Amino acid sequence: DAKTTQPTSMDCAEGRAANLPCNHSTISGNEYVYWYRQIHSQGPQYIIHGLKNNETNEMASLIITEDRKSSTLILPHATLRDTAVYYCIVRVGGDKIIFGKGTRLHILP
Amino acid sequence: EAGVTQFPSHSVIEKGQTVTLRCDPISGHDNLYWYRRVMGKEIKFLLHFVKESKQDESGMPNNRFLAERTGGTYSTLKVQPAELEDSGVYFCASSQLQLANTGELFFGEGSRLTVL
Repeated sequence: DAKTTQPTSMDCAEGRAANLPCNHSTISGNEYVYWYRQIHSQGPQYIIHGLKNNETNEMASLIITEDRKSSTLILPHATLRDTAVYYCIVRVGGDKIIFGKGTRLHILP
Repeated sequence: EAGVTQFPSHSVIEKGQTVTLRCDPISGHDNLYWYRRVMGKEIKFLLHFVKESKQDESGMPNNRFLAERTGGTYSTLKVQPAELEDSGVYFCASSQLQLANTGELFFGEGSRLTVL
Protein backbone atom coordinates (compact mmCIF):
# COMPACT_ATOMS: atom_id res chain seq x y z
CA ASP A 1 0.00 0.00 0.00
CA ALA A 2 1.12 3.54 -0.69
CA LYS A 3 2.58 5.60 2.13
CA THR A 4 0.71 8.62 3.44
CA THR A 5 2.02 11.76 5.14
CA GLN A 6 -0.08 13.74 7.58
CA PRO A 7 0.68 16.59 9.98
CA THR A 8 1.24 15.36 13.51
CA SER A 9 -1.34 17.67 15.03
CA MET A 10 -3.74 20.47 14.20
CA ASP A 11 -6.00 22.87 16.06
CA CYS A 12 -9.40 24.11 14.94
CA ALA A 13 -11.89 26.43 16.60
CA GLU A 14 -15.24 24.97 17.48
CA GLY A 15 -17.84 25.71 14.80
CA ARG A 16 -15.26 26.28 12.10
CA ALA A 17 -14.37 23.91 9.28
CA ALA A 18 -11.52 21.54 10.02
CA ASN A 19 -9.37 20.81 6.97
CA LEU A 20 -7.05 17.85 7.39
CA PRO A 21 -4.48 17.33 4.63
CA CYS A 22 -2.91 14.09 3.50
CA ASN A 23 -0.17 13.45 0.96
CA HIS A 24 -0.09 10.15 -0.91
CA SER A 25 2.19 10.91 -3.83
CA THR A 26 2.90 7.24 -4.62
CA ILE A 27 -0.74 6.18 -4.78
CA SER A 28 -1.55 3.76 -7.57
CA GLY A 29 -4.57 3.80 -9.83
CA ASN A 30 -6.53 1.14 -7.99
CA GLU A 31 -5.93 2.40 -4.45
CA TYR A 32 -8.70 4.12 -2.57
CA VAL A 33 -8.23 6.89 -0.03
CA TYR A 34 -9.87 6.15 3.30
CA TRP A 35 -10.26 8.25 6.40
CA TYR A 36 -10.81 6.83 9.87
CA ARG A 37 -10.65 8.43 13.28
CA GLN A 38 -10.11 7.25 16.82
CA ILE A 39 -11.75 9.22 19.59
CA HIS A 40 -9.78 8.80 22.81
CA SER A 41 -9.67 5.09 23.61
CA GLN A 42 -12.65 4.03 21.51
CA GLY A 43 -12.44 1.75 18.48
CA PRO A 44 -11.51 3.39 15.17
CA GLN A 45 -14.44 4.81 13.26
CA TYR A 46 -14.84 4.95 9.49
CA ILE A 47 -15.45 8.43 8.11
CA ILE A 48 -15.34 8.42 4.33
CA HIS A 49 -13.49 7.05 1.32
CA GLY A 50 -12.99 7.87 -2.35
CA LEU A 51 -11.13 6.89 -5.49
CA LYS A 52 -11.06 9.84 -7.87
CA ASN A 53 -14.10 12.01 -7.31
CA ASN A 54 -14.83 14.20 -4.34
CA GLU A 55 -17.14 12.57 -1.85
CA THR A 56 -19.52 13.86 0.82
CA ASN A 57 -21.50 12.11 3.50
CA GLU A 58 -23.19 13.09 6.73
CA MET A 59 -19.88 13.27 8.57
CA ALA A 60 -17.44 14.90 6.20
CA SER A 61 -16.27 15.77 2.71
CA LEU A 62 -13.27 14.31 0.94
CA ILE A 63 -11.50 16.38 -1.67
CA ILE A 64 -9.02 14.47 -3.85
CA THR A 65 -6.71 16.38 -6.17
CA GLU A 66 -6.90 15.63 -9.87
CA ASP A 67 -3.52 13.89 -9.85
CA ARG A 68 -4.64 11.96 -6.73
CA LYS A 69 -1.37 12.71 -4.96
CA SER A 70 -3.08 14.41 -2.07
CA SER A 71 -6.45 14.79 -0.42
CA THR A 72 -8.19 16.84 2.25
CA LEU A 73 -10.75 15.72 4.76
CA ILE A 74 -13.18 18.49 5.67
CA LEU A 75 -15.30 18.49 8.81
CA PRO A 76 -17.64 21.37 7.97
CA HIS A 77 -18.62 22.48 11.48
CA ALA A 78 -16.24 21.01 14.00
CA THR A 79 -17.48 20.29 17.51
CA LEU A 80 -15.62 19.33 20.65
CA ARG A 81 -16.65 15.72 20.00
CA ASP A 82 -14.56 15.75 16.84
CA THR A 83 -11.37 15.86 18.89
CA ALA A 84 -9.62 12.66 17.82
CA VAL A 85 -6.74 11.17 15.87
CA TYR A 86 -7.55 11.14 12.16
CA TYR A 87 -5.98 8.54 9.89
CA CYS A 88 -5.56 8.87 6.13
CA ILE A 89 -5.09 5.44 4.56
CA VAL A 90 -4.64 4.28 0.99
CA ARG A 91 -5.66 0.77 0.27
CA VAL A 92 -6.30 -1.61 -2.55
CA GLY A 93 -9.82 -2.90 -2.34
CA GLY A 94 -10.14 -5.99 -0.15
CA ASP A 95 -6.81 -5.48 1.61
CA LYS A 96 -6.36 -4.84 5.27
CA ILE A 97 -6.39 -1.32 6.68
CA ILE A 98 -2.90 -0.18 7.69
CA PHE A 99 -2.89 2.64 10.22
CA GLY A 100 -0.11 5.21 10.38
CA LYS A 101 0.49 7.86 13.01
CA GLY A 102 -2.41 10.07 11.94
CA THR A 103 -3.19 13.69 12.79
CA ARG A 104 -4.22 14.58 16.30
CA LEU A 105 -7.00 17.16 15.87
CA HIS A 106 -7.78 19.42 18.79
CA ILE A 107 -11.06 21.31 18.65
CA LEU A 108 -10.77 24.47 20.73
CA PRO A 109 -13.81 25.91 22.53
CA GLU B 1 -28.60 -3.79 14.95
CA ALA B 2 -25.80 -4.68 17.33
CA GLY B 3 -22.32 -3.53 16.43
CA VAL B 4 -19.08 -5.43 16.83
CA THR B 5 -18.87 -6.60 20.42
CA GLN B 6 -15.74 -7.62 22.26
CA PHE B 7 -15.26 -9.40 25.56
CA PRO B 8 -13.79 -8.82 28.05
CA SER B 9 -13.46 -5.06 27.97
CA HIS B 10 -10.48 -5.29 30.30
CA SER B 11 -8.40 -8.22 31.44
CA VAL B 12 -5.56 -8.16 33.97
CA ILE B 13 -3.37 -11.26 34.11
CA GLU B 14 0.08 -12.22 35.26
CA LYS B 15 2.95 -13.01 32.99
CA GLY B 16 2.79 -16.62 31.90
CA GLN B 17 -0.96 -16.91 32.18
CA THR B 18 -3.40 -17.46 29.33
CA VAL B 19 -6.06 -15.05 28.13
CA THR B 20 -8.75 -15.52 25.50
CA LEU B 21 -10.37 -12.53 23.88
CA ARG B 22 -13.64 -12.88 22.05
CA CYS B 23 -15.11 -10.90 19.17
CA ASP B 24 -18.66 -11.09 17.86
CA PRO B 25 -18.84 -9.41 14.45
CA ILE B 26 -21.92 -7.78 13.01
CA SER B 27 -24.32 -10.48 11.85
CA GLY B 28 -23.74 -11.38 8.22
CA HIS B 29 -20.22 -9.96 8.06
CA ASP B 30 -17.89 -12.51 6.56
CA ASN B 31 -14.71 -10.47 7.02
CA LEU B 32 -13.27 -10.29 10.52
CA TYR B 33 -10.05 -8.51 11.46
CA TRP B 34 -7.95 -8.34 14.61
CA TYR B 35 -5.77 -5.32 15.38
CA ARG B 36 -3.91 -4.21 18.47
CA ARG B 37 -2.44 -1.05 19.88
CA VAL B 38 0.47 -1.39 22.22
CA MET B 39 1.09 1.59 24.51
CA GLY B 40 2.53 4.51 22.61
CA LYS B 41 2.55 2.69 19.31
CA GLU B 42 0.40 2.70 16.20
CA ILE B 43 -2.57 0.44 15.65
CA LYS B 44 -1.18 -2.73 14.09
CA PHE B 45 -2.93 -5.32 11.94
CA LEU B 46 -2.83 -8.88 13.28
CA LEU B 47 -4.93 -11.02 10.98
CA HIS B 48 -7.95 -11.27 8.71
CA PHE B 49 -10.58 -13.99 8.45
CA VAL B 50 -12.94 -14.53 5.57
CA LYS B 51 -15.65 -16.66 7.08
CA GLU B 52 -13.74 -19.39 8.93
CA SER B 53 -10.57 -19.17 6.82
CA LYS B 54 -7.49 -17.14 7.67
CA GLN B 55 -6.98 -14.85 4.70
CA ASP B 56 -3.96 -13.02 6.03
CA GLU B 57 -2.14 -13.65 9.30
CA SER B 58 1.00 -11.74 8.46
CA GLY B 59 0.64 -9.47 11.48
CA MET B 60 0.56 -12.14 14.15
CA PRO B 61 3.61 -11.41 16.33
CA ASN B 62 4.59 -14.96 17.27
CA ASN B 63 3.26 -18.43 17.96
CA ARG B 64 2.00 -17.45 21.39
CA PHE B 65 -0.98 -15.93 19.61
CA LEU B 66 -3.72 -18.19 18.25
CA ALA B 67 -6.82 -16.91 16.49
CA GLU B 68 -9.80 -19.04 15.59
CA ARG B 69 -13.15 -18.51 13.96
CA THR B 70 -14.90 -21.83 14.00
CA GLY B 71 -18.13 -21.79 12.02
CA GLY B 72 -17.37 -18.40 10.59
CA THR B 73 -19.22 -16.48 13.29
CA TYR B 74 -17.45 -15.22 16.40
CA SER B 75 -13.69 -15.27 16.75
CA THR B 76 -11.32 -15.81 19.63
CA LEU B 77 -7.76 -14.62 20.08
CA LYS B 78 -5.78 -16.58 22.65
CA VAL B 79 -2.47 -15.46 24.07
CA GLN B 80 -0.55 -18.27 25.75
CA PRO B 81 1.65 -17.66 27.64
CA ALA B 82 1.19 -13.93 27.98
CA GLU B 83 4.24 -11.68 28.18
CA LEU B 84 4.57 -8.12 29.45
CA GLU B 85 4.89 -6.73 25.91
CA ASP B 86 1.48 -8.16 25.00
CA SER B 87 -0.22 -5.44 27.04
CA GLY B 88 -2.34 -3.15 24.93
CA VAL B 89 -5.78 -2.78 23.41
CA TYR B 90 -6.97 -5.45 21.00
CA PHE B 91 -9.52 -4.32 18.45
CA CYS B 92 -11.77 -6.45 16.31
CA ALA B 93 -13.43 -5.22 13.12
CA SER B 94 -15.82 -6.72 10.61
CA SER B 95 -17.18 -5.96 7.15
CA GLN B 96 -19.54 -7.50 4.66
CA LEU B 97 -17.85 -9.71 2.10
CA GLN B 98 -19.44 -8.03 -0.87
CA LEU B 99 -18.41 -4.62 0.39
CA ALA B 100 -14.89 -5.59 1.35
CA ASN B 101 -13.48 -3.91 -1.71
CA THR B 102 -14.90 -0.48 -1.06
CA GLY B 103 -16.76 -0.58 2.19
CA GLU B 104 -16.01 0.37 5.71
CA LEU B 105 -14.68 -1.70 8.55
CA PHE B 106 -16.77 -1.57 11.71
CA PHE B 107 -14.62 -1.68 14.82
CA GLY B 108 -15.48 -2.84 18.31
CA GLU B 109 -14.58 -0.89 21.42
CA GLY B 110 -11.57 -3.10 22.07
CA SER B 111 -10.35 -5.41 24.81
CA ARG B 112 -7.69 -3.90 27.04
CA LEU B 113 -5.12 -6.45 28.15
CA THR B 114 -2.78 -5.73 31.04
CA VAL B 115 -0.03 -8.26 31.73
CA LEU B 116 1.69 -7.82 35.10
